[in-house]
Amino acid sequence: QVQLQESGPGLLKPSEPLSLTCTVSGGSISSYYWSWIRQSPGKGLEWIGYITYSGTTNYNPSLKSRVTISLERSTNQFSLKMSSLTAADTAVYYCARVRVTVYGEMIYYAFDMWGQGTMVAVSS
Amino acid sequence: EIVLTQSPGALSLSPGERATLSCRASQSVSSGNLAWYQQKPGQAPKLLIYAASTRATGIPARFSGSGSGTDFTLTISRLEPEDFAVYYCQQYGGSPLFTFGPGTKVDIK
Repeated sequence: QVQLQESGPGLLKPSEPLSLTCTVSGGSISSYYWSWIRQSPGKGLEWIGYITYSGTTNYNPSLKSRVTISLERSTNQFSLKMSSLTAADTAVYYCARVRVTVYGEMIYYAFDMWGQGTMVAVSS
Repeated sequence: EIVLTQSPGALSLSPGERATLSCRASQSVSSGNLAWYQQKPGQAPKLLIYAASTRATGIPARFSGSGSGTDFTLTISRLEPEDFAVYYCQQYGGSPLFTFGPGTKVDIK
C-alpha cells in the first residue's frame, strides 16, 4: 500500500522560504505524477503544482513565480520550495499522487493518494 | 479559471436518507474530468469518484456520480454514519489545471 508523508518546518517568518519534502513508501516515485495541494480556511483547497515521473512540472499560475517542485529518485521523495512567504501562505500542505487514467482517447486526472498534511504557519 | 460552485453549502440529513450534492462549473469541464472527494475533520481528502462517474478503488456502491458539461452530481443513496463529512468536487483542464469547489458539509440531522 502506497503511503505519503510530508515533512518540514511548521512555523516560518514572513519573507522566509518554505521547503517541504514528501516521502513515498510502498511504491516507486518513478511512475505516476506527484502534486502539492494546500488548504486554508480562507481559500479552501488550492492546487500548487505537479511533477511527472520524468521531471516535467506544471504550476498554478498564481504561484508559479514562487514555487519549485522537484523529484529525488534515490530517496523516493519529491519536494516543494516556495519563496517570499506571507501570512496568506499559512495553510495545511498536502502531498498527493495524481492518478492518470486513459479511456481510449480520454485522459482523466484525480488525486488518489494523499499524505496526512502538515501545517505551515507564517507569522512574525 | 474554471470556478466550481457547490450547493447546498450544508445539508442536514438522517442516516438512511439519500443525499444529492451539486457541483456547477463556470465553463464546460473538459471530457467530464471531474472528481469528488470526502474529507473528515483532521484528515486528508479521500478520492470517491473520478471521470465524473467512476468509483475509486474500495468506494462503496452507495456513492455515485453523474453529469457532464457544467453540471455534476454526487449521490449517496443511503447515508451511513461514517458518511457525514465535507464533500468537494475538483475539475481538471482549465487554467490553473486543477481547481476545487468550496465544499458541501453533510451533517447529522
